[in-house]
Parts: sequence; structure tokens; C-alpha cells
Amino acid sequence: GAVVSQHPSRVICKSGTSVKIECRSLDFQATTMFWYRQFPKQSLMLMATSNEGSKATYEQGVEKDKFLINHASLTLSTLTVTSAHPEDSSFYICSAPRLAGTYNEQFFGPGTRLTVL
Amino acid sequence: QQQVKQSPQSLIVQKGGISIINCAYENTAFDYFPWYQQFPGKGPALLIAIRPDVSEKKEGRFTISFNKSAKQFSLHIMDSQPGDSATYFCAASMQGAQKLVFGQGTRLTINP
Repeated sequence: GAVVSQHPSRVICKSGTSVKIECRSLDFQATTMFWYRQFPKQSLMLMATSNEGSKATYEQGVEKDKFLINHASLTLSTLTVTSAHPEDSSFYICSAPRLAGTYNEQFFGPGTRLTVL
Repeated sequence: QQQVKQSPQSLIVQKGGISIINCAYENTAFDYFPWYQQFPGKGPALLIAIRPDVSEKKEGRFTISFNKSAKQFSLHIMDSQPGDSATYFCAASMQGAQKLVFGQGTRLTINP
């Protein structure tokens, strides 16, 4: 399968600081990537769709000024959590779709554990 | 109508047994149904997927059964092993679409 990487794998920061998470598709190009948030023992919650060359599309209830997304190239999307607070602590996962015939197979990164003190 | 309902929420199976996880959907436009396996602290990994032109797909010990009329699909893990202990998510999407709609997840524990 295709490979999607994330960096860093875990980060601990103080309240009020900003944290940047990178998502890379290593062996295929992705004009679209997705960012998810996952709380313990819960399903994946889609936060936003990252679009190369254009603005991200945010799901209802997600603060776009809080979670800044930049899709800098066909293989890189970044999520910046601005002025992080303890309630932003979570597991953040990105994914990238790769076309297989007429369907898109979704490949996920390994996730980033964010802890805000 | 965009929901995918998954059950059970948790499942305990003895080693060597069959694990069965079920999902149901409402949107008849869905035509791609993948299953993902997630270990603690890791991202989900694509396990197996089915399209509605077939009623069953098997890959090794993993089988998806699909019932189009009932709008249900299920994952069967044969000869379940302790290494299969993980959370499993079903999902659905449409041809050409990139977004997935996920089920709530099933936490599977295989007892040795």
C-alpha cells in the first residue's frame, strides 16, 4: 500500500504556544489530504479537507483560525494548532486518497499525539 | 443518512474463534466499503475493501460479506489470533468521492 508519514509522532507543549504537524505522501501525489482528530476509544472525527493550491474546507464546528491548514505541495500538508490549550490535546491523524480505478483508497499517517500542558 | 452504524462496540473472542463485526448504512449512493484496523497509538491501516458488485471478498483470514438489499456489510476474522486484537472501523464512500464516512469502531480482544 501507499505510505503516508507524519511528523512529529508526539509533541508536548505549553499552553498558548503553536504547534505544526506535517503530513507527507511518500510515494504518490495527493491534491487532497484529510485531517482527523481522535479522542481515546472513539472514532475518527474529520476536521478538514486540505486542498493543494486552494483553501482548506473545514467541517462544521471546527475553528479555522484555530487549526490552520496549508497544502504546500502535492505531497505535503501541514496542520498548525494555534495558541494551543489543554482541550486541544488529542491524537491527530492525516490521510491521503489514492485513486485505484474509479475509487479512492484512503491511506493514513501514523498519527501525532499532542499534549498541551 | 450519511451515517454508518457499527456493532458491537467491543468484542471478546477466544483464540481460534471467529470474530464478526457488523455495519449498516442508509445512503444507497455508497458503493465502496473499506475496513480499517487500528492498533493503539497508530494510524488506521486499510485491511480489506469491497464494492457492491460482489457479495463476498476474502483475503487470507479476513472476509467481508455484503448484503446490498439489507444495506449491511460485515467483517469476519477466521481463526482469530491475539495479534488481531485492535480497533476495527468500517467505512463507506461513493465512486469518485474522496471522503470516507466511518463507523463508530469495534474494540476487538482475542484471548489466548
